[in-house]
Amino acid sequence: AQSVTQLGSHVSVSEGALVLLRCNYSSSVPPYLFWYVQYPNQGLQLLLKYTTGATLVKGINGFEAEFKKSETSFHLTKPSAHMSDAAEYFCAVNLRSGNEKLTFGTGTRLTIIP
Amino acid sequence: NAGVTQTPKFQVLKTGQSMTLQCAQDMNHNSMYWYRQDPGMGLRLIYYSASEGTTDKGEVPNGYNVSRLNKREFSLRLESAAPSQTSVYFCASSGVVWRLVSPDTQYFGPGTRLTVL
Repeated sequence: AQSVTQLGSHVSVSEGALVLLRCNYSSSVPPYLFWYVQYPNQGLQLLLKYTTGATLVKGINGFEAEFKKSETSFHLTKPSAHMSDAAEYFCAVNLRSGNEKLTFGTGTRLTIIP
Repeated sequence: NAGVTQTPKFQVLKTGQSMTLQCAQDMNHNSMYWYRQDPGMGLRLIYYSASEGTTDKGEVPNGYNVSRLNKREFSLRLESAAPSQTSVYFCASSGVVWRLVSPDTQYFGPGTRLTVL
């Protein structure tokens, strides 16, 4: 069973427009949630994570995400896209099963249109 | 402080050849991981090691073996490479040993691009 689903393998937005990347999880217990970014020919780096506490999480480079338990979602947003945001973005979950394993979504490639 | 390093960066193998991918971290992390990344499939966990001397299978372990040589190093071996193992391989590490606390951030290496002909 797919634990994490990213809707849209490719998303294009104009420079200065809102960025919205979608992530939904399927788990009876709300998991720990992560967003990672991968720039071309590089490894992944953490943008932000939700573990406990405030459901609106702020990350690096102006990104934020909100954990919504009722919608089983953890969508990533940025108010104004910049050319440097072009990359692939991965949502990941830890299923609170007593280990540190992450399950990754299939990724969303973000293209910024000048 | 180099973080997570991987060697080699690129490799081409013929079917049936063997090779070892090397990974090292200098952050004194307990846990280390090997993933493979394939188009449209995200990252899938091959093996991980929660601490020195322990290893455990991930989602796609078949055709691979690992060695946690010491706290710093975690190697991935392909004994008899197959074209299906053509992929980009990432090593990662994290600091927290699971003790009912939230998982620590995983830090990734730059990857090894492997082609099996």
